[in-house]
Amino acid sequence: EAGVAQSPRYKIIEKRQSVAFWCNPISGHATLYWYQQILGQGPKLLIQFQNNGVVDDSQLPKDRFSAERLKGVDSTLKIQPAKLEDSAVYLCASSLTGTGLYNIQYFGAGTRLSVL
Amino acid sequence: KNEVEQSPQNLTAQEGEFITINCSYSVGISALHWLQQHPGGGIVSLFMLSSGKKKHGRLIATINIQEKHSSLHITASHPRDSAVYICAVRGASGSRLTFGEGTQLTVNP
Repeated sequence: EAGVAQSPRYKIIEKRQSVAFWCNPISGHATLYWYQQILGQGPKLLIQFQNNGVVDDSQLPKDRFSAERLKGVDSTLKIQPAKLEDSAVYLCASSLTGTGLYNIQYFGAGTRLSVL
Repeated sequence: KNEVEQSPQNLTAQEGEFITINCSYSVGISALHWLQQHPGGGIVSLFMLSSGKKKHGRLIATINIQEKHSSLHITASHPRDSAVYICAVRGASGSRLTFGEGTQLTVNP
C-alpha cells in the first residue's frame, strides 16, 4: 500500500516569498491533515479536511496560510508571504475517517521549509 | 503548562538497556498514541491505547487512565531504536490530536 506522498522534501526561500506544498494521501482516506512542526516541538495541527470540506482550521494563520483539497483527494498548503518563523517541517497525514476510537493517522515524510 | 508533557526530553542509553519514556496529560481523552519520528521527518504510529497495555515486539505501551499517564518501554534497546518518540492524545470530544514535544532517544552501540 502506498503511503502519504509529499513534495517537495526540502524548500529554501527568502522571507516575503511564497511557497506551496503538495500532499497525496493514502487512497480511500477521507480525512487529510496538515501539521506544522517547529524544531524541538511536537506537530501542531494547521488544518483538517474531511473529503473536500474543512473540519478544523482554528490554528491556521489565515492572513498568510491557505489550503485546499479539491476533489477530496490531493491537497496543497500555501504560505504567502513567508516569515522567518514559518521555518519548520510541514507534515501531511491522512486517515480513513476523522473520528472514532481507532482512527489512526498515517504521516508523510514532510517538507522541511527554511525561510531566510 | 502543555496539555501533554513528556519526560525525559532527551535520553541516551547503551545498547541492550531497558528504556522508559513517560507521558502525562491533563485533559480527558478517548485515546493516546505513541509515535516514532526518524530524522527527516517521517512519523510512524507505534501504538494506540485507550486502556491497559499493548505489546509489539520489543515495545510495550501502558496507560493509566485514572492517573492520566502512559509509558512507552523498549526492551533490549538497539541503535536503530534511536529516534524521537512522541506521545499524542485525542480529546474526549474531538478528533484533533494534541502532541507532546517528543523525547529524543539515542542508543549507542
